This record gives sequence, structure tokens and C-alpha cells, in this order.
Amino acid sequence: EAAVTQSPRSKVAVTGGKVTLSCHQTNNHDYMYWYRQDTGHGLRLIHYSYVADSTEKGDIPDGYKASRPSQENFSLILELASLSQTAVYFCASSEDWVYAEQFFGPGTRLTVL
Amino acid sequence: GDSVTQTEGLVTLTKGLPVMLNCTYQTTYSPFLFWYVQHLNEAPKLLLKSSTDNKRTEHQGFYATLHKSSSSFHLQKSSVQLSDSALYFCALSGGTSGGNYKPTFGKGTSLVVHP
Repeated sequence: EAAVTQSPRSKVAVTGGKVTLSCHQTNNHDYMYWYRQDTGHGLRLIHYSYVADSTEKGDIPDGYKASRPSQENFSLILELASLSQTAVYFCASSEDWVYAEQFFGPGTRLTVL
Repeated sequence: GDSVTQTEGLVTLTKGLPVMLNCTYQTTYSPFLFWYVQHLNEAPKLLLKSSTDNKRTEHQGFYATLHKSSSSFHLQKSSVQLSDSALYFCALSGGTSGGNYKPTFGKGTSLVVHP
């Protein structure tokens, strides 16, 4: 069974503060993704990566940075957290990015106050 | 760019009735379509997928057929159960202008099944 873990599982941050969300996968997958989920918007792709030390912008990258230091780890960084970034964040991995299913982590609930 | 449209935000049904959740997509590339299901406070997980035109795909009582002529991949079940209450996402793996693929998800349809 594929395994994707995320930390922290929930976080409260202050406006203007820095937030780092971490994702770790043991699937040996090359492809990793960060999504945010908001009611009424479904899952929106923030950043993705297909190789270590390289990241790509997704559909809503503004206000977010990503880092892929190794095949197993993929971080999402909010340099200056804002109220509008309150959401649930999911990390996922897949064997390829065309036909393979994505395996999702349990999610991180981020509240920015 | 690529897009996925799920027209129903909420579908409410009585147990035992059939259901169809709509999904249409737009892409200029060869499409790969997925349905994911997310139960309350859980992560999304794959329900079924397809890239073959006019071929029915089934899993756990749910089924869908990719119709490239109408750009549709509707999810159906003949008799819903209480445990089917969840959020359902249609997703597309389509191309980008740079020649890469990236996934696009619809906004999701919440299915609520009553006794």
C-alpha cells in the first residue's frame, strides 16, 4: 500500500508569519503534488514536481513556494501567511503524471488568524 | 487551458436509487479521466479511471464510460448505499503548453444518501 504522510496535521498561524508544510512518501514515486481544498473549489493544484531539486507551478502558485530536496520529501512554504490561505492542504504522489493514480496524504488543516 | 466541469454541487438521494454524477472536460490533448472519492475527514482516493473511448470501467459497484465525442465521463451506480455518501471528484490528466501533463480536478459533487 502506498504511503504519503504529512506534518503537521493541523496548524494555526498568524498573518504575516512563515509556514512550512511537509510531505513524505515511501512509494518511490517521482511525481509529487500540493493541493489546497476549499469548499466549493474542490482540489486546486499549487505546485508539483517530477524530480528532486525541481518544482513546477500549478494553477494557483501565488503566495506559495515549494521545495523538493529529495525524491521522498516535498515541502510547501508560505513565506507571508495570509487569511486567504486558510484551507486544507493535501500532498499526493504518483508513479507517473499521465495515467497513474495519485495517492494522497491525510491532509493538513491550516488556519491563519 | 484544460478544465473539468461537474455541474452538480450537491446530490441528495434515498438509499437504493440510481445515481449519475456528471463530468465533462476540455483538453486539446489525449485525455485520461479519473474519479476520486473522499469520505468525511479522509483523503481522496481513486475510484476508477479510463483513457479508452466508449469502454465501460467498473469498480465497487460504480461505473463510468469515457465518451470522447461528447467529452464526458459520468459516474453511475444502479443502487446507492448509505456508505456512498461522500465527495466525488472528476479529474483529468491533460497536457500543458510546455508539453508536460498536469492534473486538473473538478469542483466536486457531494453525494448524500438518506435511509
